Amino acid sequence: SQTIHQWPATLVQPVGSPLSLECTVEGTSNPNLYWYRQAAGRGLQLLFYSIGIDQISSEVPQNLSASRPQDRQFILSSKKLLLSDSGFYLCAWDAGRLAGLDEQYFGPGTRLTVT
Amino acid sequence: ELKVEQNPLFLSMQEGKNYTIYCNYSTTSDRLYWYRQDPGKSLESLFVLLSNGAVKQEGRLMASLDTKARLSTLHITAAVHDLSATYFCAVGLTGANSKLTFGKGITLSVRP
Repeated sequence: SQTIHQWPATLVQPVGSPLSLECTVEGTSNPNLYWYRQAAGRGLQLLFYSIGIDQISSEVPQNLSASRPQDRQFILSSKKLLLSDSGFYLCAWDAGRLAGLDEQYFGPGTRLTVT
Repeated sequence: ELKVEQNPLFLSMQEGKNYTIYCNYSTTSDRLYWYRQDPGKSLESLFVLLSNGAVKQEGRLMASLDTKARLSTLHITAAVHDLSATYFCAVGLTGANSKLTFGKGITLSVRP
């Protein structure tokens, strides 16, 4: 069966510091991968999605970036955090074209507080 | 641009009563998903609706999809406290690049 991991689970970082959040998926190959952010009490904002190891698309211009160093690994980074980057970061995957299914499966999330 | 609207955004429910919440979307799609989020937790998949007229039931929840009306409903039968959570619907556009557009979520609170 497939599982998705995220770490760290929680993070408190000062403004201006760098950020690296990691997401890995097990039990599947060539997944589509997604990063979402959820601000407190609000809906989900899609940040990045990747349909292949060299294909990453950004949905919202900001000080965040994403990379996919391996097929099942998705990294969210920032060089300098802003207060507005605080939120709950969720990684998700789906089987995409290979299985023809679009249901997304979410990781446990990382709660980031920028101070 | 696909827009997904959920209403109401917050619903206080009385235990034992029935309720219906709605998800409207703006563009033709035959893929709609319902997710549940407990406070401080991630999203958990509830229902996958992949065709017009699709109906799925799990316990006290029943979801249906009307693609012609671009509407999905989530019916709650005899609400219980355990159903208190935020419920998101998400609509998928068919095609090679599967992306979901989420509604803002409906927070349900069941009171005795």
